[in-house]
Amino acid sequence: SQTIHQWPATLVQPVGSPLSLECTVEGTSNPNLYWYRQAAGRGLQLLFYSVGIGQISSEVPQNLSASRPQDRQFILSSKKLLLSDSGFYLCASYGTSFNEQFFGPGTRLTVL
Amino acid sequence: GDSVTQMEGPVTLSEEAFLTINCTYTATGYPSLFWYVQYPGEGLQLLLKATKADDKGSNKGFEATYRKETTSFHLEKGSVQVSDSAVYFCALDGGFKTIFGAGTRLFVKA
Repeated sequence: SQTIHQWPATLVQPVGSPLSLECTVEGTSNPNLYWYRQAAGRGLQLLFYSVGIGQISSEVPQNLSASRPQDRQFILSSKKLLLSDSGFYLCASYGTSFNEQFFGPGTRLTVL
Repeated sequence: GDSVTQMEGPVTLSEEAFLTINCTYTATGYPSLFWYVQYPGEGLQLLLKATKADDKGSNKGFEATYRKETTSFHLEKGSVQVSDSAVYFCALDGGFKTIFGAGTRLFVKA
């Protein structure tokens, strides 16, 4: 099965600072990859997904961007963080058997 | 478009109580259905799945049956434990995206 790695686990950043969250995948090749955000006590919001290197689809307009420089690497970035960017960020990939999703452990971002 | 609706929480139960979390879906065709669980401070993990109508998914004492006539996939457990306290998400396979419900938080008291 697949393993998703995310780092850092927690991050506290000031408003206006840049952001880079990294996600890497083991145990599969050419996976579909996803970034979700989960605000406190809320459900999942799909931010970006990628079906291959350099291919990024954005689900909602926002202050964030994503890149996929390698097959099993997915990066979430921002040039200037907003307070509203605080949340729990989850990276996920698609399984190959029944399209179940595998999730990473998440990054908790607090913007002050 | 495809969507998933699940009961709002939080749900608070005493240990050994019976659990039902309702989930209904709207979809074209018959997509695979899933329940995911999120323990505090962690990512989601697949709890169970059903890939076609009348399938029953089960894991760790939890069960859900794919009912196409009622477009439902309700999660049940006969006797909950404190360790089952978590957020539960119903979801369907939307092709290259998974469609998630809003999540239901479960608290189990000792």
